[in-house]
Amino acid sequence: AQKITQTQPGMFVQEKEAVTLDCTYDTSDQSYGLFWYKQPSSGEMIFLIYQGSYDEQNATEGRYSLNFQKARKSANLVISASQLGDSAMYFCAMRGFGNEKLTFGTGTRLTIIP
Amino acid sequence: DTAVSQTPKYLVTQMGNDKSIKCEQNLGHDTMYWYKQDSKKFLKIMFSYNNKELIINETVPNRFSPKSPDKAHLNLHINSLELGDSAVYFCASSHFPDRKETQYFGPGTRLLVL
Repeated sequence: AQKITQTQPGMFVQEKEAVTLDCTYDTSDQSYGLFWYKQPSSGEMIFLIYQGSYDEQNATEGRYSLNFQKARKSANLVISASQLGDSAMYFCAMRGFGNEKLTFGTGTRLTIIP
Repeated sequence: DTAVSQTPKYLVTQMGNDKSIKCEQNLGHDTMYWYKQDSKKFLKIMFSYNNKELIINETVPNRFSPKSPDKAHLNLHINSLELGDSAVYFCASSHFPDRKETQYFGPGTRLLVL
C-alpha cells in the first residue's frame, strides 16, 4: 500500500519569494516515482515535475525543483521566485514502477500575495 | 491540439438518471484512467484500461461502467445516479506505466446530481 501525506492544507507566500510545499510518502515498493501536479482554480490538473526513486539528482523543471530525501521519504516541491499565477492547489502523488495506480495526497492550497 | 479531452465539461442531472462522460486522447498512449475528485479535492483512481482491457477496478459501485472502444477512448457510464456521485471526474492517459511514465489529465467533468 502507498500513502502520501501533505501536512500543509494552505499556505500564503509573498510574490517573488521561494516556497516549499511538503510531501512525505510511505511505500513498500523498492522502485517508485514521485509526481507533482498543479490544479488552478480553472480545475485542470497540470503535471509539473517527476522524481524517480533511483535518480541520483534532484529533478528540476524551470522554476520547479524537487527536494528528494529518500531516507526521510520526503519529496518536497520548491517553487523559486513565486508568481501570482502560481496560486493553485498542488498535489503530490506517487506510484510504484509497473503499477498503474497513482496515489495522491490531499493537496496544499498555495496563495501568492502581491 | 488538445491532448486529453472530455465531454461534457459540466453535467447537471436528477437523481436516478443515467449519464455518460466521454474521454479521448491523441497522445498515442495505450493506458487510460478515470479518477474521481470529491468536494474536499481528494483524488482517487476508479478504473484503468490498457489496450482496451480493464486493469484496475478500485471497489467502485457497479453502477459505474467504463467502456473502451479503442486505445484512444475511454468512456464512463453511470446508472441510477445518486447525490454522492456529485464530483469532478478526470480522465487521464499515459504509456503503459513503466518507470517514468507520466499520466496526463483531461480538463475534468463537473457532475452535479440534484
